[in-house]
Amino acid sequence: AQTVTQSQPEMSVQEAETVTLSCTYDTSESDYYLFWYKQPPSRQMILVIRQEAYKQQNATENRFSVNFQKAAKSFSLKISDSQLGDAAMYFCAYRSDLIYNQGGKLIFGQGTELSVKP
Amino acid sequence: EPEVTQTPSHQVTQMGQEVILRCVPISNHLYFYWYRQILGQKVEFLVSFYNNEISEKSEIFDDQFSVERPDGSNFTLKIRSTKLEDSAMYFCASNKVRENTEAFFGQGTRLTVV
Repeated sequence: AQTVTQSQPEMSVQEAETVTLSCTYDTSESDYYLFWYKQPPSRQMILVIRQEAYKQQNATENRFSVNFQKAAKSFSLKISDSQLGDAAMYFCAYRSDLIYNQGGKLIFGQGTELSVKP
Repeated sequence: EPEVTQTPSHQVTQMGQEVILRCVPISNHLYFYWYRQILGQKVEFLVSFYNNEISEKSEIFDDQFSVERPDGSNFTLKIRSTKLEDSAMYFCASNKVRENTEAFFGQGTRLTVV
């Protein structure tokens, strides 16, 4: 079974600085998808960024980028120019490709609580 | 922008009572999900639903839980006899899996069992 691990329960960053959140996963599958979701205090789950395992290029979405290391099974999120609105819980999530999992469920890590200091 | 809508936002119920949580997924999506998040813990998969039947369920999704899509738009989660440990945030999600898009989540229903 696949597992997702976020080893940093809490992180803190100064406004305008850069922070990197770590995520590792375990799988025997070769095709899958990785996601970072943001959960602000409202507890809404908001997609931040997505990475397909077959793509070597790291995904980027404005100030958010990932460092995807497939061999190491690592998927970190870098937030540049941190803003106060970035303060939230961040969850890393894994989803199998269709050929393995017709259901399409997401497997989440434990989350990292990010605080942004003004 | 289309969104997943959940009602109610907060439900308080007595232990042993039945509750129904409701969701309206995005209209052209094919797969539907329920997830649970106990306060301070990670989000856990409960069940996935496709083509009017359950495609996968977790160990959490025991006989006390059921899902249905009664009218082609609403997607409901029923808990037959609630327990204190069912208190959690319940999220509905949907996606067009065959187009490899991400899951869109509703805003969640906070269930409190007293």
